[in-house]
Amino acid sequence: QKEVEQDPGPLSVPEGAIVSLNCTYSNSAFQYFMWYRQYSRKGPELLMYTYSSGNKEDGRFTAQVDKSSKYISLFIRDSQPSDSATYLCAMSVQGGSEKLVFGKGTKLTVNP
Amino acid sequence: GAVVSQHPSWVICKSGTSVKIECRSLDFQATTMFWYRQFPKQSLMLMATSNEGSKATYEQGVEKDKFLINHASLTLSTLTVTSAHPEDSSFYICSAAPGNEQFFGPGTRLTVL
Repeated sequence: QKEVEQDPGPLSVPEGAIVSLNCTYSNSAFQYFMWYRQYSRKGPELLMYTYSSGNKEDGRFTAQVDKSSKYISLFIRDSQPSDSATYLCAMSVQGGSEKLVFGKGTKLTVNP
Repeated sequence: GAVVSQHPSWVICKSGTSVKIECRSLDFQATTMFWYRQFPKQSLMLMATSNEGSKATYEQGVEKDKFLINHASLTLSTLTVTSAHPEDSSFYICSAAPGNEQFFGPGTRLTVL
């Protein structure tokens, strides 16, 4: 079993839809959870950062962490064509100052 | 968020030559920087952890004599691909963390002919 599992998609939704992206993990020591957005031929952009369990909201984005189930989610409300990108989950034990373990990424297309 | 830059953004070189890629933290100091490689349609693969003032730590399977890393200051780390071959063609990305959040550079696309 890989440390972090993420459905690679691709995922295609109509504009305005609510998007749900998920990752599961096996290492119960992970405490820091991140979501990155990567456009083609660009570096990953940090979208959301969460420590331990709970929810975090930032505009149209909501990140959820359920440590008991070893499951994290990213929700995108009112999705826009500009949200079309690959979304990567990442996590670590001690925060961003140590190496991150990434999921494979989910390719999202939002159709106008 | 914090800003990490890379130079060059793309480079084409002949097989057998060496290529240097720079990674800079523009608005913070970074004692640790990370170097990743990404092949088309794949996720990021960590190559090495660059530590200011000391030797880099390489991931298993990464040749340290081929991928030379120098972290000479708190804002600059360099990755040199020595004697590059076509199979080294990839997207190289660095990252750094001013705190618990890790920020990535824009990446460098290397093409070896």
